[in-house]
Amino acid sequence: QVQLQESGPGLVKPSETLSLTCVVSGYSLTNGYYWGWIRQPPGKGLEWIGSIYHSGSTHYNPSLKSRVTMSVDTSKNQFSLKLRSVTAADTAVYFCARDVKAAGWDYWGQGNLVTVSS
Amino acid sequence: DIVLTQSPGTLSLSPGERATLSCRASETVSSNYLAWYQQKPGQAPRILIHGASSRATGIPDRFSGSGSGTDFTLTISRLEPEDFAVYYCQQYGSSPRITFGQGTRLEIK
Repeated sequence: QVQLQESGPGLVKPSETLSLTCVVSGYSLTNGYYWGWIRQPPGKGLEWIGSIYHSGSTHYNPSLKSRVTMSVDTSKNQFSLKLRSVTAADTAVYFCARDVKAAGWDYWGQGNLVTVSS
Repeated sequence: DIVLTQSPGTLSLSPGERATLSCRASETVSSNYLAWYQQKPGQAPRILIHGASSRATGIPDRFSGSGSGTDFTLTISRLEPEDFAVYYCQQYGSSPRITFGQGTRLEIK
């Protein structure tokens, strides 16, 4: 059974960098598929942040591209998100998930609430 | 960007009734790469339909998807109590941008 688990601080100060990691179990990242991040502000809808392949190839949401960096560590079977220069508008639940391209996003983490506040 | 508009915003129905949810795209969705997700409070979204009409693994057959081009529909044939949730459509054919609709809330009447 494929499982994803996000981890990272729940509180980040404005202008600082939000950092999250997603550990994958039950499936090796090197077996294929993209892996990505989606966020959801409280009470609002879903926003795609970006996707990464085990080779390190990335696709980012153009609206966030200037502030986002995603990376992958196949030795730990995990991938990470960094979002720079955060503001209150970046407060959201951040989900990691498997991006099966032709078949949508099939496995998700439980979500990690990140609040941006001083 | 492809903008997805879902309607209605809220749908009030009773268990046993049929639900029809709409998702309209601002331009053609490539290869019918359109998915539907169900989200319950405090949970991650769960994929129901991909490729516009293919049920994901383990999804009951009361859920069905249809449509092509710019107009897509999710139908729940007979509502069960556990089906009351928020539903999102997603297009993933317009690389590199993946977009979601704003959601339809399905509530008990």
